[in-house]
Amino acid sequence: SAVISQKPSRDICQRGTSLTIQCQVDSQVTMMFWYRQQPGQSLTLIATANQGSEATYESGFVIDKFPISRPNLTFSTLTVSNMSPEDSSIYLCSVDFPSTDTQYFGPGTRLTVL
Amino acid sequence: QKEVEQNSGPLSVPEGAIASLNCTYSDRVSQSFFWYRQYSGKSPELIMSIYSNGDKEDGRFTAQLNKASQYVSLLIRDSQPSDSATYLCAVPSAGGGNKLTFGTGTQLKVEL
Repeated sequence: SAVISQKPSRDICQRGTSLTIQCQVDSQVTMMFWYRQQPGQSLTLIATANQGSEATYESGFVIDKFPISRPNLTFSTLTVSNMSPEDSSIYLCSVDFPSTDTQYFGPGTRLTVL
Repeated sequence: QKEVEQNSGPLSVPEGAIASLNCTYSDRVSQSFFWYRQYSGKSPELIMSIYSNGDKEDGRFTAQLNKASQYVSLLIRDSQPSDSATYLCAVPSAGGGNKLTFGTGTQLKVEL
């Protein structure tokens, strides 16, 4: 099965700064998604990362706060901008492989904002 | 009504018993359903998918789907302490595009 990696695995950041999270897959995938999981909560979809075009954001999430790139079929980044303590969460990328409708998750990035 | 509902638990079962986890969903047109297991501090791991009414078995896990009643359940036979985790039910989002909507998860505790 494919390997999904995320960098960094965790970080502690100061408010007002930005952090870019990378998601790398070792094979080409059709869809890539970014989720947030706040402490004690379930997963909330932030956006779909579209290869070669702008990401599609869910209600409540905007590009200025969570810019996303997807330059090719194996890589995506999510930036959390102008962070506040409320952004402290686990950020997860997931991928959807060709000919399946099943999502698999990366290991996640645990972000703490002070 | 939330799109996907689960009892948050915790659900406690003794080792060796059957654990039954339930999920209801609101979108009648949903065609595929997924169960993920999430250990504390880890990311969700897919354990079962089901597309047709009835039962689907995979080892100690059985997924049950009833589209008419809009519920999907997960049975874990011969529960082990290593099954202690949060189980997340997921269904495709109404907006399409292969997006998933997750329930809040049920915490399962298997006690010795």
